[in-house]
Amino acid sequence: AQKVTQAQTEISVVEKEDVTLDCVYETRDTTYYLFWYKQPPSGELVFLIRRNSFDEQNEISGRYSWNFQKSTSSFNFTITASQVVDSAVYFCALSDDGATNKLIFGTGTLLAVQP
Amino acid sequence: DADVTQTPRNRITKTGKRIMLECSQTKGHDRMYWYRQDPGLGLRLIYYSFDVKDINKGEISDGYSVSRQAQAKFSLSLESAIPNQTALYFCATSDASFNQPQHFGDGTRLSIL
Repeated sequence: AQKVTQAQTEISVVEKEDVTLDCVYETRDTTYYLFWYKQPPSGELVFLIRRNSFDEQNEISGRYSWNFQKSTSSFNFTITASQVVDSAVYFCALSDDGATNKLIFGTGTLLAVQP
Repeated sequence: DADVTQTPRNRITKTGKRIMLECSQTKGHDRMYWYRQDPGLGLRLIYYSFDVKDINKGEISDGYSVSRQAQAKFSLSLESAIPNQTALYFCATSDASFNQPQHFGDGTRLSIL
């Protein structure tokens, strides 16, 4: 069965600290996609990244970086030099059904960045 | 204008009432989805649709129904609302290509008293 685990319910950091959000997934399929979404306090869901199971290269986008490791079934998200605007709930999600594109979401991590 | 629009944004109603949440999109996507978000549970899939004639149940469809009136419109109904359906509801769309990201509306916050 598919499952996404985000064990960190809440994280609090001070501005400019680096922070890593963990995501562990379970799937029996060899072809799958992993996603991260951001939900700021205003409530909307913002797509951040999609990564397929055949591409284990790390991805960097500005202060954001993602580390995908199939050996540990993890897809972790790091924010470097965090800012108050990074405060949000972050969701990791898995899709292993290409026929439907259904997403299996983790329970989310609330990140609070203090000034 | 938003690509995926949900109406209403907020709704408070009473137990037993019939409620319809509406979703429209201008992205031209064939696939549309309804999720609910509860604190500590993440998002869970209620229904999804590939086109007007293709409607499928998701993980938690009991107590809900949907209607795909057109490619661009997908409505979620609660025939007789109950308090444990109080949640944040999201509509999403995606392209039919394999595992394209879903694009979400801004959500409807529904409270059932």
